[in-house]
Amino acid sequence: GEDVEQSLFLSVREGDSSVINCTYTDSSSTYLYWYKQEPGAGLQLLTYIFSNMDMKQDQRLTVLLNKKDKHLSLRLADTPTGDSAIYFCAEFRGGYQKVTFGIGTKLQVIP
Amino acid sequence: GAVVSQHPSWVICKSGTSVKIECRSLDFQATTMFWYRQFPKQSLMLMATSNEGSKATYEQGVEKDKFLINHASLTLSTLTVTSAHPEDSSFYICSAQGQGVYTEAFFGQGTRLTVV
Repeated sequence: GEDVEQSLFLSVREGDSSVINCTYTDSSSTYLYWYKQEPGAGLQLLTYIFSNMDMKQDQRLTVLLNKKDKHLSLRLADTPTGDSAIYFCAEFRGGYQKVTFGIGTKLQVIP
Repeated sequence: GAVVSQHPSWVICKSGTSVKIECRSLDFQATTMFWYRQFPKQSLMLMATSNEGSKATYEQGVEKDKFLINHASLTLSTLTVTSAHPEDSSFYICSAQGQGVYTEAFFGQGTRLTVV
């Protein structure tokens, strides 16, 4: 299968941490991405992780990859209201030259 | 990071007319370009994949005669929505990928198409 699954909605208070989860099905995926989409805008690449890594940290962002369970998570520390957006998880399957997206998780940061 | 420019950002057209959307890679050569469509409150759906100089590969259910894709150079791909209908109204996003199997793809800012 080619499904990438995410929960639809997450609400957190400003200043708390947000954790967005994703599961994918293709163990041959080489890159796993997190994108942010603000209303009416295109996609902004937040970060990505290569499949041979377990963790990647980039300032407020921490990505954890559990390849055994095919589980990917994105943690946003000290979440400001400006982080309110839809976050897409995506996998790149090198052999197929194809990026498959999840449905997106809408993050609402409450002041 | 690499920049992909998509034009126009938004367009309104009359039913029955055709609309062309451009996708340019500004600082790298894009051997592969992807075209996606996003309906409201849904994820991105891949429409087609194009490699420079060859015909595009369309996903199942996407009409190739309606959504014409041209990838004539390493920096430009175009998507033409022919004989547009209101149900074609959507958000179209392109992405461009450089050479190599493991190269990430960079996205344009998207085009909001409204057919009236």
